[in-house]
Amino acid sequence: EAQVTQNPRYLITVTGKKLTVTCSQNMNHEYMSWYRQDPGLGLRQIYYSMNVEVTDKGDVPEGYKVSRKEKRNFPLILESPSPNQTSLYFCASRQGGRYGYTFGSGTRLTVV
Amino acid sequence: LAKTTQPISMDSYEGQEVNITCSHNNIATNDYITWYQQFPSQGPRFIIQGYKTKVTNEVASLFIPADRKSSTLSLPRVSLSDTAVYYCLVGDYNNAGNMLTFGGGTRLMVKP
Repeated sequence: EAQVTQNPRYLITVTGKKLTVTCSQNMNHEYMSWYRQDPGLGLRQIYYSMNVEVTDKGDVPEGYKVSRKEKRNFPLILESPSPNQTSLYFCASRQGGRYGYTFGSGTRLTVV
Repeated sequence: LAKTTQPISMDSYEGQEVNITCSHNNIATNDYITWYQQFPSQGPRFIIQGYKTKVTNEVASLFIPADRKSSTLSLPRVSLSDTAVYYCLVGDYNNAGNMLTFGGGTRLMVKP
């Protein structure tokens, strides 16, 4: 089944403890992206990648890092999480050209 | 990137046709219009995409007038399961398509 898989689905962590949210897609898509969703603020793009080793900042990149060493994987790294990064995170991928994104099921992160 | 404006919310009843209009006055020549559907705590799901005139698939229709400054998503005979948030996005998928910003969306409530 074609899909975007995020792990973990739920995570509670403490301030300052580095964490990684993994994202993997099995559709050989070129483009991948990370979004966070907060009540009243909608979906905001954190980072995106147009291909292996090509990444760029979205609207809210502060406090996050990404890497794209393989086409299928696009992990989101929080080096020193803070409570304001408590949010619902979505990874998405799409093929090049005029195609829509396929989203993962989301990761609900709580930083205490 | 073209900014979009949608109604914040809409109510409908089962079996009715629902039309959600999105305004995008500064749409560029190479921009496509894409609609997504999102259920609570799930990632957005691609519904339909178009450039001009009318596009129809098994889920919805998309009407785009000649000036392309607006678009209308039409959902035929809605059911309770169509209760969701619907997002309209405009962007050039071949160039800046990865910097896709989701607006506030339209919260559709379908009542029995």
